Amino acid sequence: QSALTQPPSASGSPGQSVTISCTGTSSDVGRYSYVSWYQQHPGKAPKLMIYEVTKRPSGVPDRFSGSKSGNTASLTVSGLQAEDEADYYCSSYAGRPYVFGTGTKVTVL
Amino acid sequence: QVQLVQSGAEVKKPGASVKVSCEASGYTFTDYYIHWVRQAPGQGLEWMGWIKPDNGGTTYAQKFQGRVSLARDTSINTAYVEVSRLSSDDTAVYYCARETGGYSDHWGQGTLVTVSS
Repeated sequence: QSALTQPPSASGSPGQSVTISCTGTSSDVGRYSYVSWYQQHPGKAPKLMIYEVTKRPSGVPDRFSGSKSGNTASLTVSGLQAEDEADYYCSSYAGRPYVFGTGTKVTVL
Repeated sequence: QVQLVQSGAEVKKPGASVKVSCEASGYTFTDYYIHWVRQAPGQGLEWMGWIKPDNGGTTYAQKFQGRVSLARDTSINTAYVEVSRLSSDDTAVYYCARETGGYSDHWGQGTLVTVSS
């Protein structure tokens, strides 16, 4: 399985929005509604932010939202805050093997 | 509350094997898949495989087949990953994670495995 493609970096000023794309294929992202997004701060374990494309676990701010169109999923962070600066990874169920995205470093300017 | 607690850091020589444990608590261990994911220094997340604790069924990423073994002990709610024939490329933080229907909602704290002569 090949990794899902994400941009290496994204940035925005506090209060602005940033959107991260996650491009897969018709065998993973395009086929299943099981795209999830994880936030990872340096030296920490990943944290689930979005699951099943659009759903937020309890405790995750509603500034985080997800969507999908065809083979590409997206994570949008609205109203950027300093604590949102982290690495973000998408993941897709692919018929039991799982695949992660290449990761995007989000910088809050 | 759900917790996954992993064993401590390891230093191994090339060619050796390493076994990392992941003790689950706060839920019924046999009800959820456990995945293993690793992260080399400065790199992204790499999915290694999963184990179904109720029957011990496993699936491995193609890259790790034959060199990685997943196991579990339901009597102590613990999952294991063993990596054999270690090389410097296996230096990474290894994570276990609980799967809840297509996504991982809880992760272990990570275990650093360093391979060095």
